[in-house]
Amino acid sequence: TQLLEQSPQFLSIQEGENLTVYCNSSSVFSSLQWYRQEPGEGPVLLVTVVTGGEVKKLKRLTFQFGDARKDSSLHITAAQPGDTGLYLCAGVNPDSWGKLQFGAGTQVVVTP
Amino acid sequence: DTAVSQTPKYLVTQMGNDKSIKCEQNLGHDTMYWYKQDSKKFLKIMFSYNNKELIINETVPNRFSPKSPDKAHLNLHINSLELGDSAVYFCASSQLAGGPFNEQFFGPGTRLTVL
Repeated sequence: TQLLEQSPQFLSIQEGENLTVYCNSSSVFSSLQWYRQEPGEGPVLLVTVVTGGEVKKLKRLTFQFGDARKDSSLHITAAQPGDTGLYLCAGVNPDSWGKLQFGAGTQVVVTP
Repeated sequence: DTAVSQTPKYLVTQMGNDKSIKCEQNLGHDTMYWYKQDSKKFLKIMFSYNNKELIINETVPNRFSPKSPDKAHLNLHINSLELGDSAVYFCASSQLAGGPFNEQFFGPGTRLTVL
């Protein structure tokens, strides 16, 4: 089983601050996805990174895939209360029909 | 309008009972999944069907039986429910199951509580 470790598990910051969430593995993935989940709802895909070293930006969110395709980070600039949620990284398993292996999640709370 | 829908949203039942959760997607996707999210929010895949054929079957007790009558529906039947089955169950679907762009669309979840 390819394990994905996310850190930190919990992050509480004030509006306007920056934050970074990390997702690490000893295994190589075809790609890595980031999802955000809000209470009572299913996860929603934010981005997919495929190429080693790739950087993608989604407004104030910046996603990076490690050169070796084993790790990724999510950076939020000037966080807003609307960014509050559970952030999940998921690696696509190259050997098993694109099966997603999820990390344990990072709960982000942004207070006004 | 709903892309992936599940029923029921909440399910409270006694140990030993049998229950089913239904899932439907209107996205035209070929692949559907069942996931279990435990109390620590860890999301783990249980099953996946591609065009009504089982392609992923994780180590799940055989009390759990998925059924896909057509590629838009994937139901989950659970026999002899146990306390440890309490969790949130998510259905999901995707179009490109075999490649890196396996973007999955999740339903709203079914919170199962076994008493």
